[in-house]
Amino acid sequence: DVKVTQSSRYLVKRTGEKVFLECVQDMDHENMFWYRQDPGLGLRLIYFSYDVKMKEKGDIPEGYSVSREKKERFSLILESASTNQTSMYLCASSLLYTEAFFGQGTRLTVV
Amino acid sequence: TQLLEQSPQFLSIQEGENLTVYCNSSSVFSSLQWYRQEPGEGPVLLVTVVTGGEVKKLKRLTFQFGDARKDSSLHITAAQPGDTGLYLCAGASGSARQLTFGSGTQLTVLP
Repeated sequence: DVKVTQSSRYLVKRTGEKVFLECVQDMDHENMFWYRQDPGLGLRLIYFSYDVKMKEKGDIPEGYSVSREKKERFSLILESASTNQTSMYLCASSLLYTEAFFGQGTRLTVV
Repeated sequence: TQLLEQSPQFLSIQEGENLTVYCNSSSVFSSLQWYRQEPGEGPVLLVTVVTGGEVKKLKRLTFQFGDARKDSSLHITAAQPGDTGLYLCAGASGSARQLTFGSGTQLTVLP
């Protein structure tokens, strides 16, 4: 089975903190994605990566950055967390142009 | 920008009833996926449809891809409380590495 693992299920951070969300996949997928999910807004793509050290902005990249130093690992970084970044964050991976496999999600609360 | 519209947004039915969820777009997709997401978890892939007119069955769930590959439907027969969840459709096109997600249908099946 494809496994995508996110480092935390729940996180509570203070405004202004630097936050790291980690994601690891075990299926040698080229593509990895970070989404945020908010009620009524669906899944919104923050960043994605199609190769090591490659990244592309999604629909809502502002306030976020990413890192992909190894093929299996994709990190999302909130440089200075703000309350409007409170959300459910979902990591996913896929082969080229195929279905995505998701992690269990990280519920981030910024206070 | 490709868009996928799902309807209805919310659906609450009694156990044993049938239902259909729709996913429509003005764009052509090379494949379309359906996912189910339970509260606090990431979306889980149910099925991928690739060929126009294709019909796939997964126990009580029937998925259809439109002839023109612009729309899809999910039909559930004799719904059960375990079917409760958020159903998401997502389309893949040959020109983009990322999927386009619909906004989701929140299904509640009451016992």
